[in-house]
Amino acid sequence: QVQLVESGGGLVDPGGSLRLSCAASGFTFRDYYMSWIRQAPGKGLEWVSFISSSGNTISYTDSVKGRFTISRDNAKNSLFLQMNSLRAEDTAVYYCARDPAAGRDFDYWGQGSLVTVSS
Amino acid sequence: SYELTQPPSVSVSPGQTASITCSGDKLGDKYACWYQQKPGQSPMLVIYQDTKRPSGIPERFSGSNSGNTATLTISGTQALDEADYYCQAWHNNTYVFGTGTRVTVL
Repeated sequence: QVQLVESGGGLVDPGGSLRLSCAASGFTFRDYYMSWIRQAPGKGLEWVSFISSSGNTISYTDSVKGRFTISRDNAKNSLFLQMNSLRAEDTAVYYCARDPAAGRDFDYWGQGSLVTVSS
Repeated sequence: SYELTQPPSVSVSPGQTASITCSGDKLGDKYACWYQQKPGQSPMLVIYQDTKRPSGIPERFSGSNSGNTATLTISGTQALDEADYYCQAWHNNTYVFGTGTRVTVL
């Protein structure tokens, strides 16, 4: 069955860095667009970034451009999010999710990884 | 930037019909989908491509999308349908989520 398992979250100081990972299994990872989506405590869902199946197309929400970098390793069935210059407003649960149709919706989500930016 | 607006809350009695709207400029020209999220859980897709239900989603969940508004309808609402619901669409190489609606089953 499809599984997405995030890791790498934790407590980090403002201005610090963190790298999230998402391990995928149960499907042909290299065939799918993947995204990172976050949810601040008590708030709604916010899409953060996507990467195409080959990695050639990448997009970010405006608030993370220049600070976050999405990448993938199709040989290792893994998705990554490098987060630099972290701010308090980046505090959220970060989910990785699969898009079954390249720009449509998310049919599978991970359990989420909590990132807390605080001194 | 593109925005999708939902009512903050909807209340419904058990067995009745709940309708949740999602408004955005020319939303009917795009595909809309809907997610259900219960406390402490990851979101779950309940409607995609405006009207389609993923495998395992009960028939009481249905969707429509026309003009500037997409609608999620829950017919014969049950207590277990109490959750937050989010619409989402694809716009200019980005995914856009709605503001979210809390459905309370009274």
